Amino acid sequence: EVHLLESGGGLIQPGGSLRLSCAASGFTFSNFGMSWVRQAPGKGLEWVSAIGATSDVAYYADSVKGRFTISRDNSKNTLYLQMNTLRADDTAVYYCAKYFASGSPPFDYWGQGTLVTVSS
Amino acid sequence: QLGLTQSPSASASLGASVKLTCTLNSGHSSHAIAWHQQQPEKGPRYLMKLNSDGSHIKGDGIPDRFSGSSSGAERYLTISSLQSEDEAEYYCQTWDIGIVVFGGGTKLTVL
Repeated sequence: EVHLLESGGGLIQPGGSLRLSCAASGFTFSNFGMSWVRQAPGKGLEWVSAIGATSDVAYYADSVKGRFTISRDNSKNTLYLQMNTLRADDTAVYYCAKYFASGSPPFDYWGQGTLVTVSS
Repeated sequence: QLGLTQSPSASASLGASVKLTCTLNSGHSSHAIAWHQQQPEKGPRYLMKLNSDGSHIKGDGIPDRFSGSSSGAERYLTISSLQSEDEAEYYCQTWDIGIVVFGGGTKLTVL
């Protein structure tokens, strides 16, 4: 059974940094692209970033480009999101999601999310 | 520009059927999409990948009550024999190289 477990969320001041992790199990992690998606309170889903199965490619939404970095460690079956220069509008639940096929969306499994609150 | 439009809300009675619509922006009518369900206070759940020809691949454990179809730039999710647990937000998703887009979501109320 596929399982994705996010961690690392919390309360952080504007301008601060945070690293999210997503521990994956139940599938061959190194064969699939992965992504981060966020959801601000009371709002819809917003794609944040994606990374290829072998870290060969990485993509970012314009809203986070230059501030966030996606990475993965296939030996640890773990996906990461390094978030720097955080702003109030980064406040959201952050979900990790697995690609349906090795190199392509959509997302066929989601985690339960971790809440990031950016506030002074 | 790649984009998706969904009606903000829909409602139908318990046991009835409902058809939700997701519309691709002009110029992208051949794109595949995916439907996801998000029940209150839960993470999203993948329902199906839906191609422009109406063929679809459902996620693990998704009941037969959920089906998809396509017409031009429109992608549909039909839920039959509505149950109370179907009350949720439904999002469509599409993608291209380097970008993923979600529709604004449709909140389905089961009366």
